[in-house]
Amino acid sequence: QKEVEQNSGPLSVPEGAIASLNCTYSDRGSQSFFWYRQYSGKSPELIMFIYSNGDKEDGRFTAQLNKASQYVSLLIRDSQPSDSATYLCAVKDSNYQLIWGAGTKLIIKP
Amino acid sequence: GAVVSQHPSWVICKSGTSVKIECRSLDFQATTMFWYRQFPKQSLMLMATSNEGSKATHEQGVEKDKFLINHASLTLSTLTVTSAHPEDSSFYICSAIKTGTSGLSTGELFFGEGSRLTVL
Repeated sequence: QKEVEQNSGPLSVPEGAIASLNCTYSDRGSQSFFWYRQYSGKSPELIMFIYSNGDKEDGRFTAQLNKASQYVSLLIRDSQPSDSATYLCAVKDSNYQLIWGAGTKLIIKP
Repeated sequence: GAVVSQHPSWVICKSGTSVKIECRSLDFQATTMFWYRQFPKQSLMLMATSNEGSKATHEQGVEKDKFLINHASLTLSTLTVTSAHPEDSSFYICSAIKTGTSGLSTGELFFGEGSRLTVL
């Protein structure tokens, strides 16, 4: 059973601090990794995707991928209350199936 | 970005009736669309993969005759919940894969706004 694991949270972070969200996956052959943000009652929206080991930065967001350790993380710098949401990690596995994590609820406290 | 439109955004129906939900890719063609269901405070659950011009692939445990999927064009997929019951009440979300300029999928999924179904 291929799995994508996330801590369900909630993860509480003070406004202005760095929020760090982690995701581990079981299929070593996975190639593509995605972070989605989902506000309550809304559909997920893509934040970032990453294919290669290392860091990928986009504004306040940085995705980090370590294939050897089978984890992918999302860092949010200068956290804002509007960043409060559930963050979903999705992994495209070796069969090109998209496997979803259960999501981490992030709360940014003013 | 790419826009996926879903309609209706919410629907209330009586038990035993059927409900159709539409998913349209507005500014791109999507040979593959996905249908998800999400119960409160739970993650997305893939119900089925919809391929244009062919039969949908339903996930294990999802009844294909109850959740009918039609993907008749490159921009439209429909999900029909037949003989709906209160336990079918959920948030139904569609998504579509955007094909890159090379003709290959970039892997990015774009989601519709979701349809909240309440069966009385």
